[in-house]
Amino acid sequence: GDSVTQMEGPVTLSEEAFLTINCTYTATGYPSLFWYVQYPGEGLQLLLKATKADDKGSNKGFEATYRKETTSFHLEKGSVQVSDSAVYFCALSVPRGDYKLSFGAGTTVTVRA
Amino acid sequence: ETGVTQSPTHLIKTRGQQVTLRCSSQSGHNTVSWYQQALGQGPQFIFQYYREEENGRGNFPPRFSGLQFPNYSSELNVNALELDDSALYLCASSSEGQPYEQYFGPGTRLTVT
Repeated sequence: GDSVTQMEGPVTLSEEAFLTINCTYTATGYPSLFWYVQYPGEGLQLLLKATKADDKGSNKGFEATYRKETTSFHLEKGSVQVSDSAVYFCALSVPRGDYKLSFGAGTTVTVRA
Repeated sequence: ETGVTQSPTHLIKTRGQQVTLRCSSQSGHNTVSWYQQALGQGPQFIFQYYREEENGRGNFPPRFSGLQFPNYSSELNVNALELDDSALYLCASSSEGQPYEQYFGPGTRLTVT
């Protein structure tokens, strides 16, 4: 079945450090890939997306590139802020009628001032 | 533009009871999906409703059921509650033009004692 594996946390960084969260996927067909962010006590917010190979999604300084050859969609940010502290989820959706999202387990990121 | 809203925010039920959770989709969205997020895990797909019909279902027992109304709002019903049903229940809506791009509500925290 479709699945997502993402880097286990927690990850603790200092402000202005570089952040990478690894994500790899398994899917039949051609999935769309997503990163969602969940701040404490809140629901999920769509951070960025990519719908085909070699697409780069970007938003709020975060970037991720859809790599079909390595089945990966790693999230990066060059300089994190305290406000980036959250749980990050990698997800995929295969166009198979219901477009359900399959999520990874999440990576908790804490940024210290 | 109004986002996805859910009610109630929190509730506590006793094992064996029944519960109904509600969701209003984002303006212009006609598809609603429900997810269960256990503590420390990624969300798991329960089912999806499109134009008032179930349009896909995850690996959840029949005691999880739903409805979608003509205004595209939705309900999730869970019968015979079990302790393992304690979780954050998330509703997400999407549009017909971009069905893979789902926008989430803040969730309902259900505790079963």
